[in-house]
Parts: sequence; structure tokens; C-alpha cells
Amino acid sequence: GAVVSQHPSWVICKSGTSVKIECRSLDFQATTMFWYRQFPKQSLMLMATSNEGSKATYEQGVEKDKFLINHASLTLSTLTVTSAHPEDSSFYICSARDPATGVDTGELFFGEGSRLTVL
Amino acid sequence: GQNIDQPTEMTATEGAIVQINCTYQTSGFNGLFWYQQHAGEAPTFLSYNVLDGLEEKGRFSSFLSRSIGYSYLLLKELQMKDSASYLCAVMDSNYQLIWGAGTKLIIKP
Repeated sequence: GAVVSQHPSWVICKSGTSVKIECRSLDFQATTMFWYRQFPKQSLMLMATSNEGSKATYEQGVEKDKFLINHASLTLSTLTVTSAHPEDSSFYICSARDPATGVDTGELFFGEGSRLTVL
Repeated sequence: GQNIDQPTEMTATEGAIVQINCTYQTSGFNGLFWYQQHAGEAPTFLSYNVLDGLEEKGRFSSFLSRSIGYSYLLLKELQMKDSASYLCAVMDSNYQLIWGAGTKLIIKP
């Protein structure tokens, strides 16, 4: 199946700093990628939909100036958590649908996830 | 509002069969997904149902009844590695995925 890779897997940062998380589709082109956040023992929460070459679409309640999303190419989307605070500590996951297969199966391919801890 | 309900936790014995139920109320319906998520890892796709009926894939099967907003995931011949959370998600009329909170499945020897 299609592969989505996220980096870094783990990141620890000080409060007030910014952290960038990368999401890459390795063997397919993804015009759309999705960014989720998952707090412990809770469901995945969609933060935003990243569209290649255009602005991301943010879900209600997600601060677009705090969570900067850039989708500059068909294989790379980045999420930057700006001025991170301890309450931003979470598991961030990206996903994408392979246009060649995912449209029919509905399958979303997920990255490995990035665990952010803000001290 | 939109809502996905599934049990919080279930326990089963190795080698047995377990059924995880999911009920949903959403604005429109464009398919239901089941994902498996091991602790600290990203979800892995298990199944997608958009028409009523049973979809079988190896030891895992998924059933859908749209008229009553109901699905189940059936796991046969349980193995210890099946211990994980199982997430039910529904795609609504806007093609947004609505996620359940997940069912933690504990497998005992």
C-alpha cells in the first residue's frame, strides 16, 4: 500500500519555541493531506485539511496562526506549532488518500505520528 | 449533532471471537471505516463499508446497516497482537471523517 512518513517521531521542546513536523507521501502524490491531533485516551480530532498550492482549511476552534500548515509540493505537507505551550503536548498524525486507490476504497494512509512534549 | 458510539473497553480470550459495535448519527453518510491503533502508534486501516452487508477480510469482518446507523467489527481466532484500540469513523455528507473514541480490546491468554 501507499506509504506516508512523518518526521520527527518524538520531539521535546521548551515553552515558547516553535516546532515543525513534516508529512511526506513516499510513493504517491497527495493533493490533500489531513492533520489530526490525539490526546491520550481520546479520539482523533481533525485539525486541518492541507491542500497543495493553496491555503489549508482549518476546523472550528483550531488557531490558524498557531498551527501553520504549508503544502508546497504534492508529496510534502508541514505543520508548525508556533510558540508552543504545555497544553499543545499531544500526538499529531497526518494522513493522505492515494488518488490511484484511495478514492474507491476510502482508505486513508497515516503517517507514524509525532509525539510532541512541551516543557 | 454528529455522534459515534462504541464501547470504551472489551476483554476477550485468545483464540475466541469478539464483536465490536459502533452506532452513529451523522449529517449524511459516505462510508464507515474501521481502524486499528496500537498504543503510541498511528491508526492502521482495517475496512471500509459503504453498502449494507458484510465485508470479510481474513480474520476480520465488518458489517454495516445504514438504516439503523449500525456497524460491527468481528475479529476471529483472536491473537495476543490483536490487543489494540479499534476506531470506528464515519464520513459525512461533507466528506469529513467523524471519529469514535475507540474501543480498547484486551486479549487474555
